Amino acid sequence: DGGITQSPKYLFRKEGQNVTLSCEQNLNHDAMYWYRQDPGQGLRLIYYSQIVNDFQKGDIAEGYSVSREKKESFPLTVTSAQKNPTAFYLCASGLAGGPGDTQYFGPGTRLTVL
Amino acid sequence: QKEVEQDPGPLSVPEGAIVSLNCTYSNSAFQYFMWYRQYSRKGPELLMYTYSSGNKEDGRFTAQVDKSSKYISLFIRDSQPSDSATYLCAMRAWDTGNQFYFGTGTSLTVIP
Repeated sequence: DGGITQSPKYLFRKEGQNVTLSCEQNLNHDAMYWYRQDPGQGLRLIYYSQIVNDFQKGDIAEGYSVSREKKESFPLTVTSAQKNPTAFYLCASGLAGGPGDTQYFGPGTRLTVL
Repeated sequence: QKEVEQDPGPLSVPEGAIVSLNCTYSNSAFQYFMWYRQYSRKGPELLMYTYSSGNKEDGRFTAQVDKSSKYISLFIRDSQPSDSATYLCAMRAWDTGNQFYFGTGTSLTVIP
């Protein structure tokens, strides 16, 4: 089955810890994205990548880091510097531009800071 | 002013009703418009993708784009309880292929 997988589905973190959220896609998409979703605020872009070994900051990159070593994978690390990390995190992928480009989302990871 | 405005609702309708969901936007460069459906605690799924003004129909769903008014709509005919979800509009411009702009979502409940 083609699609985007995210793991884990639920994640609990203690204050001061870094955690890494996994995102994998087998859609052969060049572009991958990370969003954060909070109630009433819609989707906010954290980071995106158009190509392997390259990525750009989105609107709320502070306290987060990413890597893009493989086309299929775009892990997100939530560092201890992120002041309010409890949220629903969504990974997406797409064709990186062009008329037919849109975004396909994974199932999400719900992160809770204890 | 936000790039994309969407009434958050909540919207509650009886089963079988016609539902109208709307978004307005400010950037005249937006050319590609999408509607996503998101069930509680799930990722958004793409429902409709349209380009330019006009209507696009897919089963019970119709997407409408009015570029002159900077207004897009999603109509759901014969609404079902399974349509109960949050609906997100999204859009992008030709020259910012990697920048998608999302509405905050409208919560819809269809009552049996």
